[in-house]
Amino acid sequence: NAGVMQNPRHLVRRRGQEARLRCSPMKGHSHVYWYRQLPEEGLKFMVYLQKENIIDESGMPKERFSAEFPKEGPSILRIQQVVRGDSAAYFCASSGTGFDQPQHFGDGTRLSIL
Amino acid sequence: DAKTTQPPSMDCAEGRAANLPCNHSTISGNEYVYWYRQIHSQGPQYIIHGLKNNETNEMASLIITEDRKSSTLILPHATLRDTAVYYCIVRVGNYQLIWGAGTKLIIKP
Repeated sequence: NAGVMQNPRHLVRRRGQEARLRCSPMKGHSHVYWYRQLPEEGLKFMVYLQKENIIDESGMPKERFSAEFPKEGPSILRIQQVVRGDSAAYFCASSGTGFDQPQHFGDGTRLSIL
Repeated sequence: DAKTTQPPSMDCAEGRAANLPCNHSTISGNEYVYWYRQIHSQGPQYIIHGLKNNETNEMASLIITEDRKSSTLILPHATLRDTAVYYCIVRVGNYQLIWGAGTKLIIKP
């Protein structure tokens, strides 16, 4: 399957722990996007990255959240000192280069905070 | 805020065409319309997109009005597996997809 791969699919953390979510883009894609979805709501943009660069992190909380897309390996969304309000589904998408290239999504990571 | 307005829910009989409307009256001249769907607990699935011309692919057709203020997604022969939430999205800038609440489409046998 050459689609966007996210892992883990489900992640349970206790308050105060760290959560690391991984995303491997589709083959040939160099643009990665992270979104968050609360139940019964649409997705909310968090951050847009290209290899080794954060292009737009305007949707990401200023504290505790960080993202990276290293030269080698998957993109990582990191949440430090998690709180109950961080419980959500986190989706990663990737796209090719080109003005109208659609974003293709993975199946997400469901984060639950105890 | 989302630049699109969709009905919250719709029903369609299996085997019939499902026509999902979307209003985007404030769309700018160079903004694309994208359609995605999300089946429960899965990631959004890309369906189709367009700028001003009608588009068709193996999944659906997209009809965009001449003034570009609205569009319709057509699933020509709906099946039970097409039951999902369908999102009409106007892309802001080069990449930001602003998601609304979508239309919950239920296909009935």
